Amino acid sequence: DAGVIQSPRHEVTEMGQEVTLRCKPISGHDYLFWYRQTMMRGLELLIYFNNNVPIDDSGMPEDRFSAKMPNASFSTLKIQPSEPRDSAVYFCASSLPVLYGYTFGSGTRLTVV
Amino acid sequence: AQTVTQSQPEMSVQEAETVTLSCTYDTSESNYYLFWYKQPPSRQMILVIRQEAYKQQNATENRFSVNFQKAAKSFSLKISDSQLGDTAMYFCAFMTQGGSQGNLIFGKGTKLSVKP
Repeated sequence: DAGVIQSPRHEVTEMGQEVTLRCKPISGHDYLFWYRQTMMRGLELLIYFNNNVPIDDSGMPEDRFSAKMPNASFSTLKIQPSEPRDSAVYFCASSLPVLYGYTFGSGTRLTVV
Repeated sequence: AQTVTQSQPEMSVQEAETVTLSCTYDTSESNYYLFWYKQPPSRQMILVIRQEAYKQQNATENRFSVNFQKAAKSFSLKISDSQLGDTAMYFCAFMTQGGSQGNLIFGKGTKLSVKP
C-alpha cells in the first residue's frame, strides 16, 4: 500500500488566489482527516469525514475554507481566497476505526505571499 | 475540554542511552486512547505507540515503551538504546472513545536530538 498520498508537496501562491490541496486515503479506511500544523498553534483538526460524509467541521477557521470527499479515494481542501496567515503545513490522514490511530500523509507546505 | 501538555520543548540524549519524554493530559472521560507520534525532518507523522486507557499493562513496541499512570493522567514515552534516526519531534496525542470520536488532540511536541 502506498500510504496516504497528498499533493502537492509544496505550494506557493499569492494572496487572494484559490488553493486546492488533494488527498488520496488508504484504500479501505473509513475515516479521513484534515489537520493544519503551525508553530504557534501546533496540530489542529480542521475537518473529518466518515464514509465520505463530513462529521465535524468545527475546526474549519473561516468560510474561506471548504473540504469535499466526493468518493472513498479522494478528498480536497480548498482555500478561497488565500491569505498569508493560511501559511502552514496541511496534513491529511486516514484511519480504520479511529482507535487504531491515524496514518498521515507527507503533508503540503503552503506558503501564501 | 481535553488538553495535552508536553512540558519539555527540547531534549537531547547520547546515542545508545535511554531517554524519557513526558506527557500529561486532562480529561473527565474514563475511556480514551493515548498515542505517541514521531515527526522526523522529513515531516511525515509516524505512529510510534498506542495505549488504551482501560488496559493497565504498559504498551511496548521494540525500543519504545510507555509508562501510563491513569490516576496521575500521565503518559510518558521511554526510548531505549537511542539511535540517530530517533532524532525527531515527538507528539503525545489523546482521543476519547465516544463523543467527538476522531478528534485526535495533540500536545505541542518535544524536539529530541540524538547525539553521536
